[in-house]
Amino acid sequence: QKEVEQNSGPLSVPEGAIASLNCTYSDRGSQSFFWYRQYSGKSPELIMSIYSNGDKEDGRFTAQLNKASQYVSLLIRDSQPSDSATYLCAVRNTGNQFYFGTGTSLTVIP
Amino acid sequence: DTAVSQTPKYLVTQMGNDKSIKCEQNLGHDTMYWYKQDSKKFLKIMFSYNNKELIINETVPNRFSPKSPDKAHLNLHINSLELGDSAVYFCASSQIPGQNNSPLHFGNGTRLTVT
Repeated sequence: QKEVEQNSGPLSVPEGAIASLNCTYSDRGSQSFFWYRQYSGKSPELIMSIYSNGDKEDGRFTAQLNKASQYVSLLIRDSQPSDSATYLCAVRNTGNQFYFGTGTSLTVIP
Repeated sequence: DTAVSQTPKYLVTQMGNDKSIKCEQNLGHDTMYWYKQDSKKFLKIMFSYNNKELIINETVPNRFSPKSPDKAHLNLHINSLELGDSAVYFCASSQIPGQNNSPLHFGNGTRLTVT
């Protein structure tokens, strides 16, 4: 079983729509969860972090965490063409190791 | 600028050679990591290291070895390079273990091509 699993996509949404990205993890003791965005040829950049159950909003981005279900999601509202990238879910487990999902490729169609 | 920096950005070499990638962080972080990203974008952890402990992913061949002269540097040495080693290698760092508000900060990556 992989440490972190994501819906691999690719995912296409029209401009202005909501993009929904999902992630599950296996280490029930994990406490820190992150979403990174990676443009082609670039390094991953942090867009959201979440540590407590519930929702966390930052601009057009909302991260959701449900530790009982071992589930993390990212919603992108009012999607823009510049949001087109690969989104990586990362989990820091009890051993302080950061594990990543396989990434979801998002394309926002103008 | 505060950052994680790694060199070189591109590395092209032949099978069987030995090469090194350097990484430095000036963020004052205590833990550094090496990741390998394959053509399908999967980021696989290879090593993590702080001044007390080296954790090696058991799937990493022993041709790969990290070297840390101090807590701001974690270099990656690769012996007897193979075609399958071609990938992008990312160095990263994070704050001391146990602090929740401590994401990974990545370097710009080194694209290794083995011919």
